[in-house]
Order: sequence, then C-alpha cells, then structure tokens
Amino acid sequence: DAGVTQSPTHLIKTRGQQVTLRCSPISGHKSVSWYQQVLGQGPQFIFQYYEKEERGRGNFPDRFSARQFPNYSSELNVNALLLGDSALYLCASSSWEPDRAPGPYNEQFFGPGTRLTVL
Amino acid sequence: KNEVEQSPQNLTAQEGEFITINCSYSVGISALHWLQQHPGGGIVSLFMLSSGKKKHGRLIATINIQEKHSSLHITASHPRDSAVYICAVTHNDMRFGAGTRLTVKP
Repeated sequence: DAGVTQSPTHLIKTRGQQVTLRCSPISGHKSVSWYQQVLGQGPQFIFQYYEKEERGRGNFPDRFSARQFPNYSSELNVNALLLGDSALYLCASSSWEPDRAPGPYNEQFFGPGTRLTVL
Repeated sequence: KNEVEQSPQNLTAQEGEFITINCSYSVGISALHWLQQHPGGGIVSLFMLSSGKKKHGRLIATINIQEKHSSLHITASHPRDSAVYICAVTHNDMRFGAGTRLTVKP
C-alpha cells in the first residue's frame, strides 16, 4: 500500500508568485495536515483538514490556504510568495476523527515533502 | 519559549555508545511522538506514547506525564542511526521540537 505522496518534490519560484502543492493521503485516512519546516527548525503546523473541512489552522497569514477533495487528497496554496516562505512543506495523514478519544489513530504518517525555494 | 524543548541540539557519538535525547513540554497533551528525519526531509514516526515506555529494536522511549518529560534512548548506536530526531506533542494540533541532530561515527 502506498504511503503519503506529495508533488512536486522540488519547486523554485520568485517573489510574488503563487504556488500549489499537492498531497495524497494513505488509503483510508480522512485527515490531512500540512506543516512548514524552515531549515534548521522543527515543523510548524499550518492546517488540518478532515472530510473537506478545515479543522485546525496554525499561525500563518491568509496568503496560505488549503482545501481537501472528496478523495481526501489535499492542496496547499501560497499566494504572493516571500523569501521567507522557502521551506520544506510536509503533508501528513492519519485516521484521526473528531469526537473520538485520543488513541493510536493520532499517529501521523508523513509524506516526503516538497522543497520550495523562493528567489 | 517553545512549548516543546529538546536537548541536546547536536550530539556526536561513537558507534556502540548508548544515546539519550530528552524532550520537555509545557502544554497538556494527548500523545507524544518521536520522529526521525533523514537528510532530504522524509520523516518517519518512531513512537507514539501517552504513558510509560515503549521499545522497538534498539530504540526505547519513555514518558513521565507528571514531569512533562520524555526520553528517547538508542542502545548500541550505529552510523545508520545518524539523523535528526524530533519530539512532537499532540495538543489541539501537533507541536514540534527543533530536533536533535545525531551523528554516529564508526
């Protein structure tokens, strides 16, 4: 069974451009989360989506948006790119569901990431 | 102050040494995760803990909920263990430590 997949692997953009990153979760996982990892730091939470609805949002500006599709895949969009947006963008999926006590389904499975460079 | 603090930031060991990486957190959590990140970025989940201790091969993870502290131990370390080890906690979302860069020399 395939793990979490992300595309593209690498991306180079210039300031002011827009970018779309894609993620396909593990089959059966309905929850997808996005993280930004700047070089030398731990990942930072951006969004969580479940059943096409935003369930959580980190401290990121409105230039960052995301959506989830009926097949549970997800896109992360970043508008008006800044140099500081250069980072590894990680997607993770889990079998998390709302209104359910914490348990093993909290475990997140990470994709390989998309490395975005903004020049 | 980061909600998840790891120590040390960098660690160099000789092959065969016993290694300990520490993690302290300041928020209420439902679970604590130890993750391994290799050069290139891929992250692998090693452990998810909510209490006690877990062991997988040469890796052992412990958590003390009262003290809000967890440790990751690697016994008989090997150069292939060289990676960044990240502690993360599940709160309302997932909060990560900055990582510990481990280098094991042959």
